[in-house]
Amino acid sequence: EADIYQTPRYLVIGTGKKITLECSQTMGHDKMYWYQQDPGMELHLIHYSYGVNSTEKGDLSSESTVSRIRTEHFPLTLESARPSHTSQYLCATADSREGSDTQYFGPGTRLTVL
Amino acid sequence: AQSVTQLDSQVPVFEEAPVELRCNYSSSVSVYLFWYVQYPNQGLQLLLKYLSGSTLVKGINGFEAEFNKSQTSFHLRKPSVHISDTAEYFCAVVNTGFQKLVFGTGTRLLVSP
Repeated sequence: EADIYQTPRYLVIGTGKKITLECSQTMGHDKMYWYQQDPGMELHLIHYSYGVNSTEKGDLSSESTVSRIRTEHFPLTLESARPSHTSQYLCATADSREGSDTQYFGPGTRLTVL
Repeated sequence: AQSVTQLDSQVPVFEEAPVELRCNYSSSVSVYLFWYVQYPNQGLQLLLKYLSGSTLVKGINGFEAEFNKSQTSFHLRKPSVHISDTAEYFCAVVNTGFQKLVFGTGTRLLVSP
């Protein structure tokens, strides 16, 4: 199972601020994902990466951006936070060598934009 | 494209009673199936998964699930629940040739004394 770290765990910030949510993993998994989880608990894929320098947008349109410069690190950035960005953000990883794309999740970041 | 339906948004049950959380999927190809649990203010934890072989899969915390191909179901069961099992449970599917995991909308299990 992967060790996945997300920081901060909780963030309250004002409208218009730039924020970066950090996600890092120690298992060398090549695939990484960002999900947004709304108050109704449904998960929406917003970004994913299948390796270094590879990033794609997910199923839910998002104003955030991501980068994958190192295998272990997959930060998500919001250039100008808005109240509509208030949500829980979950990072996940998978190892393509495993063959099943089993995803392992971090503890999440709960973001509140005032 | 595959999809997942969790028929119950909330399941209340008394402690030590058995429970079944239902999950149905649709896909035109072979799939892998997963159950995750989410405790308050935490990420998702993998409970169990079906990849191939025996249709009865055992997971952590005493949970098990049975893959039924003809009914396209993957119901989660536990013979005797504890208060600590109170959480949100998500069923998920990925087809064996594709790479995106599709989640159900979740079932909240509420265990009371």
